[in-house]
Amino acid sequence: DTGVSQDPRHKITKRGQNVTFRCDPISEHNRLYWYRQTLGQGPEFLTYFQNEAQLEKSRLLSDRFSAERPKGSFSTLEIQRTEQGDSAMYLCASSLYLGMKAFFGQGTRLTVV
Amino acid sequence: GENVEQHPSTLSVQEGDSAVIKCTYSDSASNYFPWYKQELGKRPQLIIDIRSNVGEKKDQRIAVTLNKTAKHFSLHITETQPEDSAVYFCAASSSSNAGGTSYGKLTFGQGTILTVHP
Repeated sequence: DTGVSQDPRHKITKRGQNVTFRCDPISEHNRLYWYRQTLGQGPEFLTYFQNEAQLEKSRLLSDRFSAERPKGSFSTLEIQRTEQGDSAMYLCASSLYLGMKAFFGQGTRLTVV
Repeated sequence: GENVEQHPSTLSVQEGDSAVIKCTYSDSASNYFPWYKQELGKRPQLIIDIRSNVGEKKDQRIAVTLNKTAKHFSLHITETQPEDSAVYFCAASSSSNAGGTSYGKLTFGQGTILTVHP
């Protein structure tokens, strides 16, 4: 499978713990996006990168969330001091710089207990 | 920022019937409108998209229409099959960062649960 891959697929953590997710985009794609999806809702934008530069963060993203894409390839999303409200599916997507077609990974389902 | 409204929230049809899902958007700078299909527990899959310089696009049983003046776009599925059952999301995006508007990120509608009965 040469599509977008995410790891882990599922994560259960205790409230207050830190978690980190990884996304590997399609290799030639310059843009990488993180979205969050809760049950019954559409994906909600969190942040995106063009190569290694983080160009925008959603105002909804608290300071507990941080994302990196150090070499313009894979990206990590870290959530510090997790709260129950962080429970959601975290989706990564990638697209070409000049193209708009975004392809999603299978997501990481986070459950905070 | 952009706001996308999607209707209906649920849609039930008989196999072979047509299904139509409608979305409206608020930002006139939006110029790219994809549709995603998401089956339970799976990733959203891009099924069709349209750019603002085109009024209609068709791919086999799926078509999308866009009315820029009214700021709405619709997904049409003909000859529905049980395997079309899924949640469908519309989205809007801008490829221009004029005026500081970020571009490339997708704003999604709330989703439509389509059920096709055999």
